[in-house]
Amino acid sequence: QQQVKQSPQSLIVQKGGISIINCAYENTAFDYFPWYQQFPGKGPALLIAIRPDVSEKKEGRFTISFNKSAKQFSLHIMDSQPGDSATYFCAASTDSGAGSYQLTFGKGTKLSVIP
Amino acid sequence: DGGITQSPKYLFRKEGQNVTLSCEQNLNHDAMYWYRQDPGQGLRLIYYSQIVNDFQKGDIAEGYSVSREKKESFPLTVTSAQKNPTAFYLCASSERMGNQPQHFGDGTRLSIL
Repeated sequence: QQQVKQSPQSLIVQKGGISIINCAYENTAFDYFPWYQQFPGKGPALLIAIRPDVSEKKEGRFTISFNKSAKQFSLHIMDSQPGDSATYFCAASTDSGAGSYQLTFGKGTKLSVIP
Repeated sequence: DGGITQSPKYLFRKEGQNVTLSCEQNLNHDAMYWYRQDPGQGLRLIYYSQIVNDFQKGDIAEGYSVSREKKESFPLTVTSAQKNPTAFYLCASSERMGNQPQHFGDGTRLSIL
């Protein structure tokens, strides 16, 4: 019940296109959903995060869409650039019950943006 | 610059040897974490610490040990009991335990000789 399932494993998008990464979860107690970006040989960096009281959050070219009833959330990267090529991880956590405050990560999506 | 420093960047271990990975933060954060990352996998929590002199096991604590004697330091020891230690190890911190952004170091890659 603590799993977060992420898809696709890898994604190739042309420059200027939209990149879409999806995540699904089972634990209805999850109430914090961050996305992390990781470049090779580096640690992940927080990109954007959402809480379930809103259905969408936008920061620049990055948007999280959240569907509470479907227990799904997704990351959209508009006008994708070669510099966006990285591995993206979704994650989730809860502030109650077993495993409180522990981030559960998806397995990651390797995004390649080609010119 | 505030941040998390992990050292060394690369580490090699012989069979039967314990090794210690360093993690130091100057963000004045209370909570610190250790994760293991394997190819094609997400990050899995090894240990976490909410405050000094306190730490808790994560999902994959077997074969690892930690200490938290100072707020800024959270070293991880990979013991000989960890049979598959080859991985990328990431240290993170957050202001406090809770639904907070976690800040990561740049990792230590551990390999077996």
